[in-house]
Amino acid sequence: DAKTTQPPSMDCAEGRAANLPCNHSTISGNEYVYWYRQIHSQGPQYIIHGLKNNETNEMASLIITEDRKSSTLILPHATLRDTAVYYCIVREELPQGGSEKLVFGKGTKLTVNP
Amino acid sequence: NAGVTQTPKFRVLKTGQSMTLLCAQDMNHEYMYWYRQDPGMGLRLIHYSVGEGTTAKGEVPDGYNVSRLKKQNFLLGLESAAPSQTSVYFCASTSDRRSSGANVLTFGAGSRLTVL
Repeated sequence: DAKTTQPPSMDCAEGRAANLPCNHSTISGNEYVYWYRQIHSQGPQYIIHGLKNNETNEMASLIITEDRKSSTLILPHATLRDTAVYYCIVREELPQGGSEKLVFGKGTKLTVNP
Repeated sequence: NAGVTQTPKFRVLKTGQSMTLLCAQDMNHEYMYWYRQDPGMGLRLIHYSVGEGTTAKGEVPDGYNVSRLKKQNFLLGLESAAPSQTSVYFCASTSDRRSSGANVLTFGAGSRLTVL
C-alpha cells in the first residue's frame, strides 16, 4: 500500500495557485518525496522531488515540513493544462539490488476551472 | 532523444492468446519497470530489472514474464492472456540511484491491452 495520503480531488481557478497536500507520516530519514502527475491516461510525468529542503523548478515548488511528515506541491499559476492526477510518492526499497520502487496510490485529481 | 518507447500502443487479444510488449529506452538507464494501471487505480508494479540479464517480481507478477537480454530493452510477455489482464501497461526506466541519490522515473506513453 502507498505510504502517502492525499485528498482524492481538488479544484482550482485558472491563474491561481494550486496547493496540493500530502501526508507521509512514516517517512524515514533518507527517503525522498517525489511528485508526478498523469494527464488523462498518458504516462506519468515527473514534477519535482525533495529530501529536507524546499525545492523549486520551472514546473512547481515543493514545501516539506520540518518534521518531514507532510509536504505541499505548489503550482503557482495553474492553467487548464495542469488538470491531471497528481501523485505524491515516497520510495520503497526493492529486495533486489540497490533499486527501489515508487508506490503510486490513487493521487489527487486536480481540476483547473476557467 | 526518444526517451522510453513502448510498442504496440494498442492491442486486442482473445483469451488464451500470447503476446509481448516491448519497452525500449535510449538513456542508458540501469533500472527498468513494468506497471499496470486499471481504471481509477494507481500504478501497480508487475516486474522490474536492475540491469541487463536480471529481472525480479513486483507486486502483481502472476500471468506475466519478462526478459532483459539487452540493457535498452525490457520485454513483458503474456503467455496465455486472460480478461483480468485488460489494462494499460506503462514501462519506466531510471539511472542507478546510488549515483544520483534520487530515483526519477521516465515513463513511456503506455500500451492499452484488451483481452476479450
